[in-house]
Amino acid sequence: DTAVSQTPKYLVTQMGNDKSIKCEQNLGHDTMYWYKQDSKKFLKIMFSYNNKELIINETVPNRFSPKSPDKAHLNLHINSLELGDSAVYFCASRPGSGFTGELFFGEGSRLTVL
Amino acid sequence: GENVEQHPSTLSVQEGDSAVIKCTYSDSASNYFPWYKQELGKRPQLIIDIRSNVGEKKDQRIAVTLNKTAKHFSLHITETQPEDSAVYFCAASKSNFGNEKLTFGTGTRLTIIP
Repeated sequence: DTAVSQTPKYLVTQMGNDKSIKCEQNLGHDTMYWYKQDSKKFLKIMFSYNNKELIINETVPNRFSPKSPDKAHLNLHINSLELGDSAVYFCASRPGSGFTGELFFGEGSRLTVL
Repeated sequence: GENVEQHPSTLSVQEGDSAVIKCTYSDSASNYFPWYKQELGKRPQLIIDIRSNVGEKKDQRIAVTLNKTAKHFSLHITETQPEDSAVYFCAASKSNFGNEKLTFGTGTRLTIIP
């Protein structure tokens, strides 16, 4: 009964393609995030949504477009993939706005761009 | 924005010895400091956290200390075991009316030598 689930776990694709990663949480949390972890293991925030509303956009190229159809889902679409987009993308959630507490991570989606 | 520095980047200790990882943060308004452990190929998971109204917190072999004046906090692992081998991340966050974001340090790869 996974709390934060992402699909796919692995994604291998060619430069220039468009791909999507999906995330769902069943914790009833209001806030969801996308983090990128590069080959050096740096964990950097990309986006956060609170109740379907974009709250944080950390100067991510506009080839990356998050979408939150409802507060339990946050998807990430990436256009015109580049080699530098290769990384592990983690979805995460937290109870809600005004709350600083545990961030629950998904298992990660490893994207490899060839 | 917040900047979190973490040292050392790699740490090897003999099984049974103690390990200490240190972090500094830049934003004096940060009030929540968690530590995450990431095993190889897995997601980051919270192991301990501390809030700014507390100077020290302990949970079995793990302890965290916080010095608000100096803006640094540390993770202490005693009686290390092989299963403690992982990458450890410190992080900092503050309540920000829905705009909370967790800023991570650059990670410490801890290796326990049997």
